[in-house]
Amino acid sequence: GAGVSQSPSNKVTEKGKDVELRCDPISGHTALYWYRQSLGQGLEFLIYFQGNSAPDKSGLPSDRFSAERTGGSVSTLTIQRTQQEDSAVYLCASSLVQVGEQFFGPGTRLTVL
Amino acid sequence: DQQVKQNSPSLSVQEGRISILNCDYTNSMFDYFLWYKKYPAEGPTFLISISSIKDKNEDGRFTVFLNKSAKHLSLHIVPSQPGDSAVYFCAASTSGTYKYIFGTGTRLKVLA
Repeated sequence: GAGVSQSPSNKVTEKGKDVELRCDPISGHTALYWYRQSLGQGLEFLIYFQGNSAPDKSGLPSDRFSAERTGGSVSTLTIQRTQQEDSAVYLCASSLVQVGEQFFGPGTRLTVL
Repeated sequence: DQQVKQNSPSLSVQEGRISILNCDYTNSMFDYFLWYKKYPAEGPTFLISISSIKDKNEDGRFTVFLNKSAKHLSLHIVPSQPGDSAVYFCAASTSGTYKYIFGTGTRLKVLA
């Protein structure tokens, strides 16, 4: 079956612009996660969605970052007024249940000039 | 404050020999540990896990060892193959929670 997909695969933007990154989780997976991997760093947790529960936004680095999950499926991560330090690979993962194995998408490489 | 550390950013091993990747953690509440493997331009894929009630878990060529007193785990790959060349991340969590804390990764290169 289809895995987790993310779009775009690469995004180059200018400082100050807004960007939207999309994640399509595996069908039927109730849990969805966003991570960020900056150069030389590990995967940094950003946000977690589980079913209809309120999302855990504790990892979002600033109020310029927000995420939505519509209909319990597709998720969009939005970064407003991008800064150069936002440049990273943004990874989405989904899992069947809350504490199940996480399946990752290929990531979106964001470059802010 | 990095709770999960992989102190070796890279490792080179000859094909057929053993690869040993190390990971240290600081939070004694962690009781579930995982290794993920990542190829370029792909997302990480799950490799093997271990619960703190065990000190060893084996799956084919891959074995994970856990030393709770030292807060240390290691991944052994025997024999190493060129296709094992990738970045390996260890991750830790507290059972019943969904948050994985990842290390910074070790890039393994298996030389033919």
